Amino acid sequence: EVQLVESGGGLVQPGRSVRLSCSGSGFTFENFAMHWVRQAPGKGLEWVSGISGSSATIGYADSVRDRFTISRDNARNSLFLQMDNLRPDDMAFYYCAKDRGPFGDYAFDLWGQGTLVTVSS
Amino acid sequence: QSALTQPASVSGSPGQSITISCTGTKSDIGSYNLVSWYQQHPDKTPKLIIYEGTKRPSGISPRFSASNSGTAASLTISGLQAEDEADYYCSSYSGRNTAIFGTGTKVTVL
Repeated sequence: EVQLVESGGGLVQPGRSVRLSCSGSGFTFENFAMHWVRQAPGKGLEWVSGISGSSATIGYADSVRDRFTISRDNARNSLFLQMDNLRPDDMAFYYCAKDRGPFGDYAFDLWGQGTLVTVSS
Repeated sequence: QSALTQPASVSGSPGQSITISCTGTKSDIGSYNLVSWYQQHPDKTPKLIIYEGTKRPSGISPRFSASNSGTAASLTISGLQAEDEADYYCSSYSGRNTAIFGTGTKVTVL
């Protein structure tokens, strides 16, 4: 079955860190760019970060640059998001999303179910 | 990186056609033919319905069509059905390996 499964969300205090993981299956993981997209409860979608299939190309939204780090391990079909210095406005469901192409077509054709990150003291 | 601008809501009766606009800038929609559209039903994950401006993924109804002009894009839903009631988001590549979503539009079928 073609799917993405996120893990790692939970309650975290402001200023602390959390690492999200996403496991892909049913497709050749290394052949596709991958992204993280977030959605605060009741709000719209926000692109967070993306990484090409080879990890050569990486991008971040201004709101998370210098605090979040995206990476991937193609041998383990896994995508990661290291989130440091978390702020209350980072609270959201974080979705792992597959790109249609290897370098970034920026069209997300497969989504995980999301993992909720709650930032609160 | 300001979000692309969409109307907050659009409504129509069953069988009618509706169009959702998505306004960007020269830095995103105006520079790249990489606009995509997503449908999100309540408590569901987004679903890709249009990519590269006008193309439909396999399995997406031809009732969904899209176009681009300058710094704006639009999504048209023809023959509106009850199942089309959902939130719709546009997205565009915006240079320097980044993407941006629209503010989202709630479609109501009257």
